Amino acid sequence: AQSVTQLGSHVSVSEGALVLLRCNYSSSVPPYLFWYVQYPNQGLQLLLKYTSAATLVKGINGFEAEFKKSETSFHLTKPSAHMSDAAEYFCAVSPPGGFKTIFGAGTRLFVKA
Amino acid sequence: DAGITQSPRHKVTETGTPVTLRCHQTENHRYMYWYRQDPGHGLRLIHYSYGVKDTDKGEVSDGYSVSRSKTEDFLLTLESATSSQTSVYFCAISEGTSGAQETQYFGPGTRLLVL
Repeated sequence: AQSVTQLGSHVSVSEGALVLLRCNYSSSVPPYLFWYVQYPNQGLQLLLKYTSAATLVKGINGFEAEFKKSETSFHLTKPSAHMSDAAEYFCAVSPPGGFKTIFGAGTRLFVKA
Repeated sequence: DAGITQSPRHKVTETGTPVTLRCHQTENHRYMYWYRQDPGHGLRLIHYSYGVKDTDKGEVSDGYSVSRSKTEDFLLTLESATSSQTSVYFCAISEGTSGAQETQYFGPGTRLLVL
């Protein structure tokens, strides 16, 4: 069965600091992986996704994530946090051949001035 | 932004009453999904549809039913609302042409409180 674990329900960084949000997945076959962001009182929107074309995936707003099969990880990073990055971030996994996506519990990012 | 609307946006109801939430899309996408979002659980799939009158259960379908009589509309019904169904409900859509790698586009959500 597919599953996804996000380490840390809350992460706090200072403005300008590195952002690192962790995601590990469990899958019997290489899945497709996603990061979605949710701003307050809004629905989710796609940040980036891994579809096996390249292990380092660049997304919107300066975010990127690296697929590491040996570690079953897909951590999200951004070199320099901005106040506008404060939001909740969800890692998600979809098994090939299906249309169901499994979401992690989410990590809320706080950015301090 | 994908053309997805949800109605109502907020609702307060009493235990035991039926409730219907509506999702409307203007994108002509084949797949539509209903999720609930609860703290500590992320998003959990309730039901999804892969075409008109074609629906299937997700991981938390007990107490919910759905209908899709038109491509653009996907209805979620709580047959007899319970306090455990207090949640934020999100509709999502995807094209249905690329399988598991497809991006899902989300509506703004409906906040439901069952007293």
